[in-house]
Amino acid sequence: NAGVTQTPKFQVLKTGQSMTLQCAQDMNHNSMYWYRQDPGMGLRLIYYSASEGTTDKGEVPNGYNVSRLNKREFSLRLESAAPSQTSVYFCASSKTGVTEAFFGQGTRLTVV
Amino acid sequence: GNSVTQMEGPVTLSEEAFLTINCTYTATGYPSLFWYVQYPGEGLQLLLKATKADDKGSNKGFEATYRKETTSFHLEKGSVQVSDSAVYFCALILGSSNTGKLIFGQGTTLQVKP
Repeated sequence: NAGVTQTPKFQVLKTGQSMTLQCAQDMNHNSMYWYRQDPGMGLRLIYYSASEGTTDKGEVPNGYNVSRLNKREFSLRLESAAPSQTSVYFCASSKTGVTEAFFGQGTRLTVV
Repeated sequence: GNSVTQMEGPVTLSEEAFLTINCTYTATGYPSLFWYVQYPGEGLQLLLKATKADDKGSNKGFEATYRKETTSFHLEKGSVQVSDSAVYFCALILGSSNTGKLIFGQGTTLQVKP
């Protein structure tokens, strides 16, 4: 029962470096999401994909790009990391519509 | 705009105490309401939900009632345990949404002492 798997779990980047966060789900869900979690702010939506082949911006998309590689995988890319992107990143997936979301364990990213 | 507001934490209780975590929302239409819980070092998991006014969600001894008149969805538990120590998030999905995009509150940290 893998559910939603994120890699890596921890990462330290220097300002200006790039990296890709990987996410895969094995529940045959149509929708996938990337959130960031910051103290005192809850989780905020970065990007989402309602179905394979589509992606849309969420509340805080600046500085990020995403790729819905196939139904299982949804990656998040930081092209030029900034200290403001220091955060914990969560990938989630759900069936279509208003249903329960399943979350990965998170990636703790520090940009120095 | 659409938003969720939770009571400030951290909340510190003794084992077997009564728990209330307040949650109010602002949303157009008729949202669905959720409580998610995050245990240390883990991702979020659904605790309970309610999809229409006056519905009561319940799970693991926790309860919350969807109150449209007060736009609230307060989380309660009659007797907390040390294992309930976690961060609790109130969230909503807009009724007009055909996706599962969640709007979260700030989160409330609960610490239960033996």
